[in-house]
Amino acid sequence: KQEVTQIPAALSVPEGENLVLNCSFTDSAIYNLQWFRQDPGKGLTSLLLIQSSQREQTSGRLNASLDKSSGRSTLYIAASQPGDSATYLCAVNRRGSSNTGKLIFGQGTTLQVKP
Amino acid sequence: KAGVTQTPRYLIKTRGQQVTLSCSPISGHRSVSWYQQTPGQGLQFLFEYFSETQRNKGNFPGRFSGRQFSNSRSEMNVSTLELGDSALYLCASSLRGGPTDTQYFGPGTRLTVL
Repeated sequence: KQEVTQIPAALSVPEGENLVLNCSFTDSAIYNLQWFRQDPGKGLTSLLLIQSSQREQTSGRLNASLDKSSGRSTLYIAASQPGDSATYLCAVNRRGSSNTGKLIFGQGTTLQVKP
Repeated sequence: KAGVTQTPRYLIKTRGQQVTLSCSPISGHRSVSWYQQTPGQGLQFLFEYFSETQRNKGNFPGRFSGRQFSNSRSEMNVSTLELGDSALYLCASSLRGGPTDTQYFGPGTRLTVL
């Protein structure tokens, strides 16, 4: 059974700091891993999608890495800003014909960036 | 391109009632997935529809059902509501629900059961 864990559950940093969010998964048989951002009471915004054959993806100040063999992914946020404050979720798309459209989510890391 | 839209955004129901939620995917997307988000359980997969067929289903009781129309719009229905059904219901769309597809989420429907 695939389980996804995110540590820490909450993180508070001063503005301008670089930070890393962690995601681990128990089954390496995945198609891809996706990072999302969720603002309070809102839906999810896709940030980065890493295919299982890839090692990392970058978008602006965000960089996500994937180490499938160790079951880990990190989301690196450079020069954090107060507008980055949100909950960050990782989700894996597990291999298998019966798993279409199904993402397995971690519990998320709630980030607060203080001005 | 318009994003995923969900209606209504907020609902208040009482125990025993039933409710229908609607999701309109991004134009051209044929796969729609539904998720339930609660503080205790986090995000959990409900089901996925593709070309009007349910392809995948999560571990939820039969009170939760859904369907997809020929224009890819999807509805989910919850019958005999329980207090524990209070949650944010999110739908996501993708081109085909395939392994390389990015899923795009709507803003959600907040359901409160009293």
